[in-house]
Amino acid sequence: GENVEQHPSTLSVQEGDSAVIKCTYSDSASNYFPWYKQELGKRPQLIIDIRSNVGEKKDQRIAVTLNKTAKHFSLHITETQPEDSAVYFCAAREGNTGNQFYFGTGTSLTVIP
Amino acid sequence: EAQVTQNPRYLITVTGKKLTVTCSQNMNHEYMSWYRQDPGLGLRQIYYSMNVEVTDKGDVPEGYKVSRKEKRNFPLILESPSPNQTSLYFCASSLLANTEAFFGQGTRLTVV
Repeated sequence: GENVEQHPSTLSVQEGDSAVIKCTYSDSASNYFPWYKQELGKRPQLIIDIRSNVGEKKDQRIAVTLNKTAKHFSLHITETQPEDSAVYFCAAREGNTGNQFYFGTGTSLTVIP
Repeated sequence: EAQVTQNPRYLITVTGKKLTVTCSQNMNHEYMSWYRQDPGLGLRQIYYSMNVEVTDKGDVPEGYKVSRKEKRNFPLILESPSPNQTSLYFCASSLLANTEAFFGQGTRLTVV
């Protein structure tokens, strides 16, 4: 099955700086890569996603890049704000054999005012 | 309001006592999943369903059962709960497998 690794596990940045979270996956057939944000005590919510036929996607201060050859994808948050503080999870949808999802172990982002 | 509803939100039970966590969505979504969330392990998929009467094992299905008799409902059944099933459980639904997943509020289960 798929294996998704996420780094770093914790990340602290000053307000206004950029934050980058990286994930790698093992199954070259994986074709859908969502990112979820989970605030303390809340449910995960999708912030951005990318499919395997696209290399980059941007939505205001958030962007995701995908490198299929290297099998890694990254979340970029620019001009960070205190409300960006949360746990972020990457995920990959298995390609060939089914529709299973595999999540990374999460990155706890703290934006220091 | 479009939503995924789980019940109960909190549950404390004893080892071996069968329980069911309900999940219902009102968005006519085809794809539904159950996840458990444990510290340091992220979200792990327990079971998923592509549509009515179609269910498949996820990464950690042992000790769990599911059913999908109606499109809107996807209950999670623990026939004989054990302490290692103490966890935070999330139900999620999406229109298709490769579209945005909407999560329920979560169910915090403690098995003693």
